[in-house]
Parts: sequence; structure tokens; C-alpha cells
Amino acid sequence: NAGVTQTPKFQVLKTGQSMTLQCAQDMNHEYMSWYRQDPGMGLRLIHYSVGAGITDQGEVPNGYNVSRSTTEDFPLRLLSAAPSQTSVYFCASSYAPGAPYEQYFGPGTRLTVT
Amino acid sequence: AQSVTQPDIHITVSEGASLELRCNYSYGATPYLFWYVQSPGQGLQLLLKYFSGDTLVQGIKGFEAEFKRSQSSFNLRKPSVHWSDAAEYFCAVGIYSQGGSEKLVFGKGTKLTVNP
Repeated sequence: NAGVTQTPKFQVLKTGQSMTLQCAQDMNHEYMSWYRQDPGMGLRLIHYSVGAGITDQGEVPNGYNVSRSTTEDFPLRLLSAAPSQTSVYFCASSYAPGAPYEQYFGPGTRLTVT
Repeated sequence: AQSVTQPDIHITVSEGASLELRCNYSYGATPYLFWYVQSPGQGLQLLLKYFSGDTLVQGIKGFEAEFKRSQSSFNLRKPSVHWSDAAEYFCAVGIYSQGGSEKLVFGKGTKLTVNP
């Protein structure tokens, strides 16, 4: 049982490049989400999904796309990277949406956009 | 709007000393409250949570927290700090809707340094 896994761990992009941050969980959790963490800002919700085929925006969605074709995977896409997207990205999952189950976090992806 | 305030950005304590990290929240409904810990270069790990019932909750690693509705607070405590407790600590309030919307609103974190 690997929990929540994220790849890559580190990435450097040039402005305007695109990339996909991968997130997978093997706990059969319905709910998955992406957060970004910036110094002194805590974590802010980017996008979330309450199940396969269903996604919605969080508080900072601009510049990011998501899709959820399977229960296990929830990739985050940056279509045209900007320096403002330099951050540490965390994927999280929980058993079911709409109820206070524990959220399990992945180890994070540190992204630098130059 | 919902918010979480952690007034202390950085706290330094000596090993063996007691610890209290402060957390205040702003939320109109029944709060679901969490404390997470993040070690350097790691993801977040849940320390404890409060949903209802006893206002003093016990967590892992010897931590406890007390919910005080009148003060809108959920402070984290540990009677004797170990060097391995050095990390960043985040308080969060969980917001849930019957439609399935769910999010954690985090405070900005308190970094704990432990002196030998």
C-alpha cells in the first residue's frame, strides 16, 4: 500500500512550457485534490475531484487543468508555465467527499519556473 | 469567509520543555479542525482532528489539542518536546457540503525549532 504518490519530485521549466504533474493513490479513495504551498502562505486548494469524471475548481485554479479518468489518478496540467507557478505542489486524497475523513498527502513536487 | 490564523510564525523551545502552538479560526458553522505536521522536504501528516464530542483530543506523537468554541481556538500542546518534533505545523478547518464539495483551509504555519 503506497498511499499517495507524486512524480516528479523536482522539475524546472522555462516560461511558456507545459507539463503534467502526476498523482496516484492506491487506497480506492473517491476524493482527490491538488494544493500549492508557497512560503508564508500555507496550502491553497487548486482543483479537486469527488470521483472519476468529476472535477471542480478550488481557490487558485487559474493556469491549471485537471481531469480524472480513473479513481486512482488525478494529474495536474500546466498549459503554459509562468514564474508565479513556482511552488511546491501537493496531491491529497480522502475516502469520500463531503465528510470529514482524513486527507492523505503525497510527498510533493517542487516546481521552479524560470 | 473562512480563515485560520496561526499567530506565531516561528517558535523556538528547548528539548524537554512544554509546547503550545496557537490556532484561531473563523467559520460560521460547526468547525472540523485538524493539525498537520510537515517535516522538511516531506508531505503533511495528520496529528489529530476534532469533529465533535470531547473538546480535548489526543493525537499521535504525544500531541493533544483543545477546542474552545468561545475563543474560536484549537491550540496544540505537548508536555515535553523532543528534538524530532522540529517541523512546521499547520492548523486547518475542514469545510464540507452535502453536494460533495470539500476543502481544507490552512493557516500559514508555525515553524518549530528545538534547541538541545
